[in-house]
Amino acid sequence: AQSVTQLDSQVPVFEEAPVELRCNYSSSVSVYLFWYVQYPNQGLQLLLKYLSGSTLVKGINGFEAEFNKSQTSFHLRKPSVHISDTAEYFCAVREVSGNTPLVFGKGTRLSVIA
Amino acid sequence: DAEITQSPRHKITETGRQVTLACHQTWNHNNMFWYRQDLGHGLRLIHYSYGVQDTNKGEVSDGYSVSRSNTEDLPLTLESAASSQTSVYFCASSPGTGPTPYEQYFGPGTRLTVT
Repeated sequence: AQSVTQLDSQVPVFEEAPVELRCNYSSSVSVYLFWYVQYPNQGLQLLLKYLSGSTLVKGINGFEAEFNKSQTSFHLRKPSVHISDTAEYFCAVREVSGNTPLVFGKGTRLSVIA
Repeated sequence: DAEITQSPRHKITETGRQVTLACHQTWNHNNMFWYRQDLGHGLRLIHYSYGVQDTNKGEVSDGYSVSRSNTEDLPLTLESAASSQTSVYFCASSPGTGPTPYEQYFGPGTRLTVT
């Protein structure tokens, strides 16, 4: 069975500074990886996904993530954050084969400080 | 536009009562999911369905049930509400087939308080 660890529960960062939100996964088989964002009082929306191909994946709102198979990581990055990026971010994993649901991490709360 | 809706958006109920939360999607997606979100626990899967008449237990299914009688709806029932079930509940759906079969779309959530 797969699992996801988001190493930081909260990340404060100043506006226009870069940010990295860390995600590590555990699985014995090949996986698909996802990042979702949840703005206050809203549902989750897909930020980006890795299915295959290039290990650097670009998503919405200037975010990108890099799949590193040897380190079983899928860290999310943004070179310059805005106040509007304040939200909760969830990493999720799913096995390539089989028919299992997504497994989510516990989330990282990003707070952008003016 | 296709969408996924949840109702009610807020619910207060008493311990021991039966409660049903509705989830309706208009994407014609095969797969539907129910999660609960609690501080410190992230999203935990309650039940899911891969098609009409199919239901499966998730990580935290005790005290909850679902039924799938059509493609569009997956209602979540709390048989006898407990204070530990106070939470925010999210419904999600995914196509199950096609170019993005696993991409999940989430509803806006239902905040349930059990007193």
